[in-house]
Amino acid sequence: GDSVTQMEGPVTLSEEAFLTINCTYTATGYPSLFWYVQYPGEGLQLLLKATKADDKGSNKGFEATYRKETTSFHLEKGSVQVSDSAVYFCALRLMKAGTALIFGKGTTLSVSS
Amino acid sequence: DVKVTQSSRYLVKRTGEKVFLECVQDMDHENMFWYRQDPGLGLRLIYFSYDVKMKEKGDIPEGYSVSREKKERFSLILESASTNQTSMYLCASTTAQETQYFGPGTRLLVL
Repeated sequence: GDSVTQMEGPVTLSEEAFLTINCTYTATGYPSLFWYVQYPGEGLQLLLKATKADDKGSNKGFEATYRKETTSFHLEKGSVQVSDSAVYFCALRLMKAGTALIFGKGTTLSVSS
Repeated sequence: DVKVTQSSRYLVKRTGEKVFLECVQDMDHENMFWYRQDPGLGLRLIYFSYDVKMKEKGDIPEGYSVSREKKERFSLILESASTNQTSMYLCASTTAQETQYFGPGTRLLVL
């Protein structure tokens, strides 16, 4: 069935380090792909998205490229900050209108100064 | 800005109680969703609704029901709460093919 697999955490980095969180998916058709972020004590917020192959989503210094050939949507940031500490979720939505998101299990990122 | 609100941030209930979790959105969205979030399991879909009085089961509907009498409001009901329903509950809404907007979540503890 359709699913999302993301790297297990926690990921612990020092400030200004490079971040990669891997995400791969299995889906029929051509899904839209998302990264959501959840800061402590809050709900999920959309971080970035891509709706077709080779699209690059970007926001707040984070980037992810929709790679159809490797069915991947890895999240990257060149220089993380303490304020980036959060849980990051990769998700997909199938083409059928209104379909709910399918989420990965989440990756906890902890950045220290 | 889209706003999705949930009636409570924290709830403590006893086993066997009937529990209502309310979600309201202010953007006239057709689609609304209830998820539960558990450590190591991510978010799992409980129920969703495409329109008023319409509902569909998600991946884990057992022990839950929902109600959507008005477009802006989507309620999750635990008919008889059990300890394994202790979790974080997240509501979301969207129009078709658009980004899902999430509420802040309700952390429910069932004793």
